[in-house]
Amino acid sequence: EPEVTQTPSHQVTQMGQEVILRCVPISNHLYFYWYRQILGQKVEFLVSFYNNEISEKSEIFDDQFSVERPDGSNFTLKIRSTKLEDSAMYFCASSVEGAVNEKLFFGSGTQLSVL
Amino acid sequence: AQTVTQSQPEMSVQEAETVTLSCTYDTSESDYYLFWYKQPPSRQMILVIRQEAYKQQNATENRFSVNFQKAAKSFSLKISDSQLGDAAMYFCAADGGATNKLIFGTGTLLAVQP
Repeated sequence: EPEVTQTPSHQVTQMGQEVILRCVPISNHLYFYWYRQILGQKVEFLVSFYNNEISEKSEIFDDQFSVERPDGSNFTLKIRSTKLEDSAMYFCASSVEGAVNEKLFFGSGTQLSVL
Repeated sequence: AQTVTQSQPEMSVQEAETVTLSCTYDTSESDYYLFWYKQPPSRQMILVIRQEAYKQQNATENRFSVNFQKAAKSFSLKISDSQLGDAAMYFCAADGGATNKLIFGTGTLLAVQP
Protein backbone atom coordinates (compact mmCIF):
# COMPACT_ATOMS: atom_id res chain seq x y z
CA GLU A 1 0.00 0.00 0.00
CA PRO A 2 1.32 3.51 -0.76
CA GLU A 3 2.64 5.50 2.17
CA VAL A 4 3.03 9.06 3.33
CA THR A 5 6.68 9.57 4.24
CA GLN A 6 7.86 12.01 6.88
CA THR A 7 11.41 13.07 7.65
CA PRO A 8 13.08 13.30 10.04
CA SER A 9 11.45 10.91 12.49
CA HIS A 10 12.85 12.93 15.37
CA GLN A 11 14.01 16.55 15.41
CA VAL A 12 15.64 18.31 18.34
CA THR A 13 16.01 22.07 18.26
CA GLN A 14 16.74 25.02 20.51
CA MET A 15 13.99 27.45 21.44
CA GLY A 16 13.84 30.30 18.95
CA GLN A 17 15.27 28.30 16.08
CA GLU A 18 13.48 27.63 12.81
CA VAL A 19 12.54 24.08 11.89
CA ILE A 20 11.22 22.55 8.71
CA LEU A 21 9.35 19.28 8.84
CA ARG A 22 9.14 17.42 5.58
CA CYS A 23 6.53 15.16 4.11
CA VAL A 24 6.14 13.30 0.85
CA PRO A 25 2.43 12.66 0.30
CA ILE A 26 1.14 9.84 -1.84
CA SER A 27 1.78 10.74 -5.45
CA ASN A 28 -1.76 11.05 -6.81
CA HIS A 29 -3.15 12.81 -3.74
CA LEU A 30 -4.26 16.40 -4.02
CA TYR A 31 -5.11 17.38 -0.43
CA PHE A 32 -2.53 17.69 2.29
CA TYR A 33 -2.77 18.20 6.02
CA TRP A 34 -0.71 18.72 9.13
CA TYR A 35 -1.87 17.56 12.54
CA ARG A 36 -0.03 17.59 15.82
CA GLN A 37 -0.21 15.61 19.04
CA ILE A 38 1.29 16.88 22.25
CA LEU A 39 2.40 13.93 24.37
CA GLY A 40 -0.55 12.39 26.19
CA GLN A 41 -3.09 14.60 24.47
CA LYS A 42 -5.39 14.26 21.50
CA VAL A 43 -4.50 14.79 17.88
CA GLU A 44 -5.24 18.34 16.73
CA PHE A 45 -5.77 19.71 13.24
CA LEU A 46 -3.33 22.41 12.14
CA VAL A 47 -3.86 23.13 8.47
CA SER A 48 -5.16 21.79 5.17
CA PHE A 49 -3.67 22.63 1.79
CA TYR A 50 -5.00 22.30 -1.73
CA ASN A 51 -4.05 23.73 -5.09
CA ASN A 52 -1.03 25.47 -3.63
CA GLU A 53 -2.88 27.36 -0.99
CA ILE A 54 -4.18 26.91 2.53
CA SER A 55 -7.82 25.86 2.50
CA GLU A 56 -8.31 25.86 6.26
CA LYS A 57 -6.27 26.43 9.39
CA SER A 58 -6.85 26.17 13.11
CA GLU A 59 -6.21 28.78 15.77
CA ILE A 60 -3.00 26.92 16.61
CA PHE A 61 -1.63 27.72 13.16
CA ASP A 62 -0.51 31.28 13.86
CA ASP A 63 2.01 33.48 12.05
CA GLN A 64 4.88 31.33 13.29
CA PHE A 65 3.70 28.48 11.10
CA SER A 66 3.76 28.19 7.34
CA VAL A 67 3.31 25.43 4.79
CA GLU A 68 4.68 25.01 1.34
CA ARG A 69 4.69 22.61 -1.53
CA PRO A 70 8.04 23.58 -3.05
CA ASP A 71 7.97 20.99 -5.81
CA GLY A 72 5.72 18.24 -7.10
CA SER A 73 6.40 15.84 -4.29
CA ASN A 74 7.27 17.54 -0.99
CA PHE A 75 4.97 19.23 1.50
CA THR A 76 6.66 21.11 4.32
CA LEU A 77 5.69 22.65 7.63
CA LYS A 78 7.92 25.48 8.86
CA ILE A 79 7.95 26.85 12.37
CA ARG A 80 9.79 30.15 12.30
CA SER A 81 10.78 30.59 15.93
CA THR A 82 10.11 27.49 17.98
CA LYS A 83 8.72 27.63 21.50
CA LEU A 84 8.83 24.99 24.21
CA GLU A 85 5.11 24.36 23.71
CA ASP A 86 5.72 23.42 20.07
CA SER A 87 7.18 20.13 21.29
CA ALA A 88 4.87 17.50 19.86
CA MET A 89 4.48 14.76 17.30
CA TYR A 90 3.61 16.29 13.95
CA PHE A 91 1.67 14.17 11.49
CA CYS A 92 1.37 14.79 7.79
CA ALA A 93 -1.61 13.33 5.97
CA SER A 94 -2.95 13.28 2.45
CA SER A 95 -6.05 12.27 0.57
CA VAL A 96 -7.21 12.00 -3.00
CA GLU A 97 -10.22 14.19 -2.50
CA GLY A 98 -10.86 16.94 0.00
CA ALA A 99 -13.75 15.55 1.95
CA VAL A 100 -12.54 13.46 4.85
CA ASN A 101 -14.99 10.78 3.88
CA GLU A 102 -12.16 9.72 1.66
CA LYS A 103 -9.52 7.69 3.39
CA LEU A 104 -6.96 9.92 5.03
CA PHE A 105 -3.44 8.49 4.93
CA PHE A 106 -1.20 9.51 7.81
CA GLY A 107 2.57 9.46 7.89
CA SER A 108 4.44 7.98 10.83
CA GLY A 109 5.10 11.41 12.31
CA THR A 110 8.02 13.65 13.26
CA GLN A 111 8.67 14.01 16.96
CA LEU A 112 9.76 17.61 17.55
CA SER A 113 11.56 18.36 20.79
CA VAL A 114 12.21 22.02 21.60
CA LEU A 115 14.81 22.55 24.33
CA ALA B 1 -18.67 23.20 16.67
CA GLN B 2 -18.10 19.49 16.53
CA THR B 3 -16.88 17.76 19.65
CA VAL B 4 -15.85 14.16 20.26
CA THR B 5 -15.79 12.65 23.74
CA GLN B 6 -14.17 9.42 24.87
CA SER B 7 -14.98 8.83 28.52
CA GLN B 8 -12.73 5.80 29.07
CA PRO B 9 -9.08 6.84 29.40
CA GLU B 10 -8.02 3.19 29.79
CA MET B 11 -9.52 -0.22 29.15
CA SER B 12 -8.27 -3.75 29.59
CA VAL B 13 -9.35 -7.00 27.95
CA GLN B 14 -8.25 -10.61 28.08
CA GLU B 15 -6.86 -12.12 24.92
CA ALA B 16 -9.64 -13.70 22.82
CA GLU B 17 -12.34 -11.76 24.66
CA THR B 18 -14.48 -8.89 23.38
CA VAL B 19 -14.16 -5.27 24.40
CA THR B 20 -16.19 -2.17 23.57
CA LEU B 21 -14.76 1.32 23.48
CA SER B 22 -17.18 4.21 23.87
CA CYS B 23 -17.41 7.46 21.96
CA THR B 24 -19.99 10.22 21.83
CA TYR B 25 -20.00 13.20 19.57
CA ASP B 26 -21.87 16.37 18.95
CA THR B 27 -22.46 17.91 15.56
CA SER B 28 -24.93 20.18 13.85
CA GLU B 29 -24.21 18.60 10.47
CA SER B 30 -26.78 16.34 8.86
CA ASP B 31 -24.24 14.37 6.88
CA TYR B 32 -20.91 13.39 8.38
CA TYR B 33 -18.47 10.56 8.85
CA LEU B 34 -17.12 8.94 11.99
CA PHE B 35 -13.84 7.10 12.37
CA TRP B 36 -11.83 4.97 14.74
CA TYR B 37 -8.06 5.25 14.51
CA LYS B 38 -5.52 2.99 16.19
CA GLN B 39 -2.23 4.40 17.43
CA PRO B 40 0.26 1.70 18.50
CA PRO B 41 3.44 2.54 20.43
CA SER B 42 5.07 3.50 17.13
CA ARG B 43 2.57 6.42 17.19
CA GLN B 44 1.51 5.97 13.59
CA MET B 45 -2.20 6.69 13.02
CA ILE B 46 -3.96 3.72 11.43
CA LEU B 47 -7.56 3.85 10.25
CA VAL B 48 -9.51 0.98 11.79
CA ILE B 49 -13.04 1.63 10.61
CA ARG B 50 -15.32 4.40 9.39
CA GLN B 51 -19.05 4.96 9.40
CA GLU B 52 -21.14 7.12 7.13
CA ALA B 53 -23.83 8.82 9.18
CA TYR B 54 -26.56 8.41 6.59
CA LYS B 55 -26.08 4.65 6.53
CA GLN B 56 -28.10 2.82 9.15
CA GLN B 57 -26.07 -0.35 8.85
CA ASN B 58 -23.18 -0.58 11.26
CA ALA B 59 -19.74 -0.79 9.64
CA THR B 60 -17.69 -3.96 10.08
CA GLU B 61 -14.06 -4.72 9.31
CA ASN B 62 -13.11 -8.28 10.26
CA ARG B 63 -12.93 -8.37 14.08
CA PHE B 64 -13.83 -4.69 14.39
CA SER B 65 -17.38 -3.41 14.31
CA VAL B 66 -19.20 -0.31 15.43
CA ASN B 67 -22.48 0.34 17.18
CA PHE B 68 -23.68 3.59 15.67
CA GLN B 69 -26.62 5.20 17.43
CA LYS B 70 -27.33 8.38 15.48
CA ALA B 71 -30.08 9.75 17.70
CA ALA B 72 -27.94 9.27 20.79
CA LYS B 73 -24.83 10.53 18.93
CA SER B 74 -22.96 7.46 20.06
CA PHE B 75 -20.32 5.57 18.11
CA SER B 76 -18.74 2.67 19.99
CA LEU B 77 -16.08 0.28 18.72
CA LYS B 78 -16.29 -3.42 19.42
CA ILE B 79 -13.20 -5.57 19.10
CA SER B 80 -13.92 -9.27 19.02
CA ASP B 81 -11.41 -12.05 19.70
CA SER B 82 -8.91 -9.52 21.03
CA GLN B 83 -5.28 -10.11 20.12
CA LEU B 84 -2.09 -8.89 21.75
CA GLY B 85 -1.47 -6.73 18.67
CA ASP B 86 -4.66 -4.83 19.37
CA ALA B 87 -3.03 -3.14 22.33
CA ALA B 88 -2.84 0.54 21.42
CA MET B 89 -4.40 3.94 21.91
CA TYR B 90 -7.70 4.21 20.08
CA PHE B 91 -9.02 7.54 18.91
CA CYS B 92 -12.56 8.28 17.85
CA ALA B 93 -12.87 11.06 15.28
CA ALA B 94 -15.52 12.94 13.36
CA ASP B 95 -15.17 14.96 10.23
CA GLY B 96 -15.82 18.65 10.44
CA GLY B 97 -18.82 18.67 8.16
CA ALA B 98 -18.18 21.09 5.35
CA THR B 99 -14.53 21.34 6.31
CA ASN B 100 -11.75 18.92 5.58
CA LYS B 101 -10.51 18.41 9.10
CA LEU B 102 -10.94 15.62 11.59
CA ILE B 103 -11.93 16.28 15.18
CA PHE B 104 -10.40 13.72 17.54
CA GLY B 105 -11.37 12.52 20.98
CA THR B 106 -8.86 12.22 23.80
CA GLY B 107 -8.29 8.52 23.20
CA THR B 108 -8.69 5.23 25.07
CA LEU B 109 -5.61 3.22 25.92
CA LEU B 110 -6.41 -0.47 25.42
CA ALA B 111 -4.34 -3.13 27.15
CA VAL B 112 -4.67 -6.76 26.11
CA GLN B 113 -3.82 -9.29 28.80
CA PRO B 114 -2.44 -12.68 27.74
